[in-house]
Amino acid sequence: EPEVTQTPSHQVTQMGQEVILRCVPISNHLYFYWYRQILGQKVEFLVSFYNNEISEKSEIFDDQFSVERPDGSNFTLKIRSTKLEDSAMYFCASSEETGRRQPQHFGDGTRLSIL
Amino acid sequence: KQEVTQIPAALSVPEGENLVLNCSFTDSAIYNLQWFRQDPGKGLTSLLLIQSSQREQTSGRLNASLDKSSGRSTLYIAASQPGDSATYLCAVFYNQGGKLIFGQGTELSVKP
Repeated sequence: EPEVTQTPSHQVTQMGQEVILRCVPISNHLYFYWYRQILGQKVEFLVSFYNNEISEKSEIFDDQFSVERPDGSNFTLKIRSTKLEDSAMYFCASSEETGRRQPQHFGDGTRLSIL
Repeated sequence: KQEVTQIPAALSVPEGENLVLNCSFTDSAIYNLQWFRQDPGKGLTSLLLIQSSQREQTSGRLNASLDKSSGRSTLYIAASQPGDSATYLCAVFYNQGGKLIFGQGTELSVKP
């Protein structure tokens, strides 16, 4: 069964450094999402992306965050200047159509640790 | 405010029991509700999606129901097995906004 893949599985970065989290969504999917889960807390929405532009973003997704679909297969989340509070599990998800009608499928996540 | 709540936070049952996990949401204007399973340190596995026009969905030993008017959904697991041990998350796709809103999850432990 097709799946969403994320790399790396674990990223350790010094505070203030830039980090890029990578995702390969399911090939025929058109909608892409990033969520995060701080340890012990709920999964939180960050951003949705469709047709090469951001559809919606949360309050968390401020100017230090950006997303990109650099080619036909990858979807990336960049954090420009990491903070301690950015430490979390970051999940990429994709759906075939808008999430109103089709389920979102999640990857296994990237655990980001900021030192 | 759009919120999703899951009760209980944790549940421990002996193998073979049927069990029910609960999810409530604050706004009945939803497109759909999705149940996920999360194993420790792993991603989210989609179990069932219920559209707002549906009352229930079934997959194997799992049955999810939706009562939009009361803002509730239940996930019924029949004949539980130790392999069902995981955290179960409920997430709602509200009409307002293009995102899933998650509950905090129910951590299920099925004892052999």
